[in-house]
Amino acid sequence: GAGVSQSPRYKVTKRGQDVALRCDPISGHVSLYWYRQALGQGPEFLTYFNYEAQQDKSGLPNDRFSAERPEGSISTLTIQRTEQRDSAMYRCASSLDTSGGHNEQFFGPGTRLTVL
Amino acid sequence: QKEVEQDPGPLSVPEGAIVSLNCTYSNSAFQYFMWYRQYSRKGPELLMYTYSSGNKEDGRFTAQVDKSSKYISLFIRDSQPSDSATYLCAIGGSEKLVFGKGTKLTVNP
Repeated sequence: GAGVSQSPRYKVTKRGQDVALRCDPISGHVSLYWYRQALGQGPEFLTYFNYEAQQDKSGLPNDRFSAERPEGSISTLTIQRTEQRDSAMYRCASSLDTSGGHNEQFFGPGTRLTVL
Repeated sequence: QKEVEQDPGPLSVPEGAIVSLNCTYSNSAFQYFMWYRQYSRKGPELLMYTYSSGNKEDGRFTAQVDKSSKYISLFIRDSQPSDSATYLCAIGGSEKLVFGKGTKLTVNP
């Protein structure tokens, strides 16, 4: 597709359940980023990948959060044993290549997660 | 001190006004400075991107970076109602970006 796509767009789950959020980056983009955005705030970095390698996961809040990008394209962010405080908009972004120092990130529409 | 500070506003101006949006940052290692525009219920959209001190102009938009003061600005000339959105500054290195809180702008016809 032309842009970054994310699915599902909306996810409602019960506390304690696991959820998997998917991101499909722009074709050919090497780098993929996950952010979390609370209402009225800017996106907050979670983790990022270059190809299939997870380069930085310093923003993941705790060990219930994990991410993978096994084939260097689609990525999945998984939250285990969800808690109400995990409710937020989860955004994915991709960029062409950071090797040259460029970092123009293009964002997807996000997945709105609600934990009841 | 937060890495990036941005006045959340809200900011309300009449159509045709010049708008000034600003951010300050604390990490002098930051190399890349961006402005994103986010319409309600949409993802952030890259508006301006620069990596050096000085001005960069694109149509009605001018991005200004002052690395010595760790201060960046976005100016919008001849503002239009369609410019009504939240504007986010984003600053970083070659990897992750650190975003400001965003300034909500309303341009009234």
